[in-house]
Amino acid sequence: GAVVSQHPSWVICKSGTSVKIECRSLDFQATTMFWYRQFPKQSLMLMATSNEGSKATYEQGVEKDKFLINHASLTLSTLTVTSAHPEDSSFYICSARGSGRALVSDTQYFGPGTRLTVL
Amino acid sequence: GENVEQHPSTLSVQEGDSAVIKCTYSDSASNYFPWYKQELGKRPQLIIDIRSNVGEKKDQRIAVTLNKTAKHFSLHITETQPEDSAVYFCAAIAANFGNEKLTFGTGTRLTIIP
Repeated sequence: GAVVSQHPSWVICKSGTSVKIECRSLDFQATTMFWYRQFPKQSLMLMATSNEGSKATYEQGVEKDKFLINHASLTLSTLTVTSAHPEDSSFYICSARGSGRALVSDTQYFGPGTRLTVL
Repeated sequence: GENVEQHPSTLSVQEGDSAVIKCTYSDSASNYFPWYKQELGKRPQLIIDIRSNVGEKKDQRIAVTLNKTAKHFSLHITETQPEDSAVYFCAAIAANFGNEKLTFGTGTRLTIIP
């Protein structure tokens, strides 16, 4: 149990285009989802926290108009990188925390990540 | 906010020896401390966690210790094997109200030398 999927696993796009990344909890309801980005050989940096049905809370320094987050259901959150530029190239990872019989309430379950390359 | 420091940043250990990674945290309200293992290009995987009501937890070759007074916790891997090579992250969270976020350490790249 507690599987989180992410799609796509990798994407290459041209500068100026927008890219949408989906994060799904497959076998549990994710009350809260988190989006991280990770640069090579660095730690995970939290970008934003989203609760189902409400606006995301962005970390300081993260542009909310550039990184659009939607958490429309208890199993799906999306991150859209708008007008992507080469400096947005990174590994984006989502995680989900939820409720369910087999889940530990504090534990975050991570998706496999999406590698974004902006040319 | 919470600040988590982790060291060493790199660690090389002979196969069969033990490895220890240490973390300190700043927020005394933090009460949940997970450890994640991340292989190159893959997702972080939870390997062990500890809550503030216990001082030590063990799962086969992996153990975690917590000193609340000193605000530090450590990961211990015994009888290391080549497959233990990865980047390890500690994290801390004050998990009481449902909206807390994990704060990660900077990571330790562990290399097991055959």
